[in-house]
Amino acid sequence: GAGVSQSPSNKVTEKGKDVELRCDPISGHTALYWYRQSLGQGLEFLIYFQGNSAPDKSGLPSDRFSAERTGGSVSTLTIQRTQQEDSAVYLCASSLDRAGNGYTFGSGTRLTVV
Amino acid sequence: SQKIEQNSEALNIQEGKTATLTCNYTNYSPAYLQWYRQDPGRGPVFLLLIRENEKEKRKERLKVTFDTTLKQSLFHITASQPADSATYLCALATNAGNMLTFGGGTRLMVKP
Repeated sequence: GAGVSQSPSNKVTEKGKDVELRCDPISGHTALYWYRQSLGQGLEFLIYFQGNSAPDKSGLPSDRFSAERTGGSVSTLTIQRTQQEDSAVYLCASSLDRAGNGYTFGSGTRLTVV
Repeated sequence: SQKIEQNSEALNIQEGKTATLTCNYTNYSPAYLQWYRQDPGRGPVFLLLIRENEKEKRKERLKVTFDTTLKQSLFHITASQPADSATYLCALATNAGNMLTFGGGTRLMVKP
């Protein structure tokens, strides 16, 4: 597609429920990243996929968070047993390769845990 | 510890003036540094990239400098316009990979 697409744009869930957030990167972009941004805060790195390599999961805050990228394209970020501190905007980005190209971000999914 | 610091206070300037935003970092050896613009409710938008061996990069009204001795990047917007009002983020990547680490951003307000 023309840009990075994320869905849903907004998600309200009850504490303890599982949620899945979806990211459709730009076609041909081999690198895909997940970040989250809490209100008024900077971007916090979560996970990074590059081609067929094992993902860099070093930013995942707990084992309740996981992500997969199927067929080198669409990615799903799953948060199990959501907590109120998980409330944030979850941003996905993609880029061409490792050569320092700029990232293209989606508009994010605003997750609210009540 | 590693830090990327941007002025958390909003920068208010008059239309037509040059806006200068600062990004300082500690305990990093960045291979390159990037600047992004973020509008409310939107994802960041890539503006400029500068590599460790470059001192300055320009794009239209934008100019970025990179001083690896001072561990600082300056981001300039000349002839600023109210439409330039947004939050500007700097981000670093090391040679270990191209995962970016972001600063907290500085909000720029350009008044007509």
